Amino acid sequence: DQQVKQNSPSLSVQEGRISILNCDYTNSMFDYFLWYKKYPAEGPTFLISISSIKDKNEDGRFTVFLNKSAKHLSLHIVPSQPGDSAVYFCAVEPGAGSYQLTFGKGTKLSVIP
Amino acid sequence: DAGITQSPRYKITETGRQVTLMCHQTWSHSYMFWYRQDLGHGLRLIYYSAAADITDKGEVPDGYVVSRSKTENFPLTLESATRSQTSVYFCASSEQGANTEAFFGQGTRLTVV
Repeated sequence: DQQVKQNSPSLSVQEGRISILNCDYTNSMFDYFLWYKKYPAEGPTFLISISSIKDKNEDGRFTVFLNKSAKHLSLHIVPSQPGDSAVYFCAVEPGAGSYQLTFGKGTKLSVIP
Repeated sequence: DAGITQSPRYKITETGRQVTLMCHQTWSHSYMFWYRQDLGHGLRLIYYSAAADITDKGEVPDGYVVSRSKTENFPLTLESATRSQTSVYFCASSEQGANTEAFFGQGTRLTVV
């Protein structure tokens, strides 16, 4: 049973527009939520995170929103750039001393120049 | 060079053979992780370590063995490789655990024939 779902395998966006990547989770007790970006033939790189006590976290062009009542997480990229084309994974950490991250299956973002 | 390195980058082995994937980090991070990435599954945690000589199972530990005699090294051994262990393996390290930024290696693509 998937604890973290990224229902869109792929997304195409025009350069300069907003990219919105979505993630749903099942357990309301999850404590931390993270986004990682992955280019082909490279390891994932950390992008941004948010704890369950917040509903928004911003870092430059990247903003993560957390809707706890809907158990929904989204990543907004504004404006989108061709270099943002990658696979984006959301991940959750249960907290309570757990060291385990559970990843979604990823969404491949293509930013079209 | 500072960072986290995995070796080898590519490996082909036969069913039943023992194979060890190496991971080395230069930051002295306490936490280290091994993930596998398969099509349709995202990244799944195999084993993790909170410190030297402290290791624990992740989501998919069967068929794998780890050790951590030194903080900087975290080798992953497949005791008797099976075709289902064909995958891309990523090692990661972090300073404070899974809910903080983790740094990933470039991955090892393992093929079991």
